[in-house]
Amino acid sequence: QQQVKQSPQSLIVQKGGISIINCAYENTAFDYFPWYQQFPGKGPALLIAIRPDVSEKKEGRFTISFNKSAKQFSLHIMDSQPGDSATYFCAATFGNRDDKIIFGKGTRLHILP
Amino acid sequence: GAVVSQHPSRVICKSGTSVKIECRSLDFQATTMFWYRQFPKQSLMLMATSNEGSKATYEQGVEKDKFLINHASLTLSTLTVTSAHPEDSSFYICSAREWDSYNEQFFGPGTRLTVL
Repeated sequence: QQQVKQSPQSLIVQKGGISIINCAYENTAFDYFPWYQQFPGKGPALLIAIRPDVSEKKEGRFTISFNKSAKQFSLHIMDSQPGDSATYFCAATFGNRDDKIIFGKGTRLHILP
Repeated sequence: GAVVSQHPSRVICKSGTSVKIECRSLDFQATTMFWYRQFPKQSLMLMATSNEGSKATYEQGVEKDKFLINHASLTLSTLTVTSAHPEDSSFYICSAREWDSYNEQFFGPGTRLTVL
């Protein structure tokens, strides 16, 4: 019940295309869903996050779509660029508590130039 | 923005020695810091949670006597890998939570530990 399931494990997208990564969760008590971007040899960095009271959040080329009833959320990267090539982790946490972040297993995204 | 640093970025040591890794929050006070380890092509695995001035809480399966965590101030936490062995070789990442944030954690750049 604490898991966050992420797919696909790896993804190859042409430059300019849309990259889509999906995640699902079980625990309805989660109330904060961040996405992290990690480049090789670096720590993860917060990319964008959403709370379950909204269905979509957009920041530049990055959009989170959130489906509370289905307990699913996804990251869309529009106009994907080679510089977006990285590993992306979805996550869930309870928010406002010193509680741990539950990470998905990650998606290795490669954007073809 | 909130910045977390780690030192050293890379360390190579001989088997049996101890290694200390520092994690600092540079521009905010962190009441809680987290330590993770990450193996190649895998997700982050939480090792322990530390609160300033109190003992760390270790995740199941993590040896607290081997991975010593100290959170002596609101800006510094240290992880000491004692009697390191080759299987301890990994990428260690810390994160810090600001005292009034919603539980957003800011991650350090990581420390690559190689035990020979």
